[in-house]
Amino acid sequence: NAGVTQTPKFRVLKTGQSMTLLCAQDMNHEYMYWYRQDPGMGLRLIHYSVGEGTTAKGEVPDGYNVSRLKKQNFLLGLESAAPSQTSVYFCASSYLPQGSSYEQYFGPGTRLTVT
Amino acid sequence: DAKTTQPNSMESNEEEPVHLPCNHSTISGTDYIHWYRQLPSQGPEYVIHGLTSNVNNRMASLAIAEDRKSSTLILHRATLRDAAVYYCILRDVNSGYALNFGKGTSLLVTP
Repeated sequence: NAGVTQTPKFRVLKTGQSMTLLCAQDMNHEYMYWYRQDPGMGLRLIHYSVGEGTTAKGEVPDGYNVSRLKKQNFLLGLESAAPSQTSVYFCASSYLPQGSSYEQYFGPGTRLTVT
Repeated sequence: DAKTTQPNSMESNEEEPVHLPCNHSTISGTDYIHWYRQLPSQGPEYVIHGLTSNVNNRMASLAIAEDRKSSTLILHRATLRDAAVYYCILRDVNSGYALNFGKGTSLLVTP
């Protein structure tokens, strides 16, 4: 049981380049999330998905797109990278929140630098 | 959304108890109190959560004030591995998924 995995672990992009970050989970979770974390800050939600084929915007969605074609995978795309997107990106997943029972499981992160 | 206030940093000696405070004076009746922690260079991990009563698990204890306007995460015997950023988060049971991470408290544990 690998939990939540992220690919790649590190990446350096030039301004204007595109890339896709892959998140995979093997816990059969319905919900998946993409966060970014800037130095000295907490995590901010970019996009999330409540099930296969559905996505929704979070707090900071501009400049990113996502897709959830399979339940276990959640992709984050940067179409034209900007230096402001230099950050650490975390993926997370969870079961459908039900009452008090709720926990998000996080991946190890992808460190992205845009020059 | 109800907000939380935590100290920026705290320091503890190894093998001593640590009390991490969190103020949430605007908490609503449907807000659960969640704690996550983030070890260096890792993703956050769940620690504990509660609503009104104190809670214990293998990682920590959560003490919730009677008026629910504050709570304290208690690590009973700090180890070097407990050095992390600890986040106190309110989650409205009606909004389901949302976890709003603030800046948290950076805990330093010294030998």
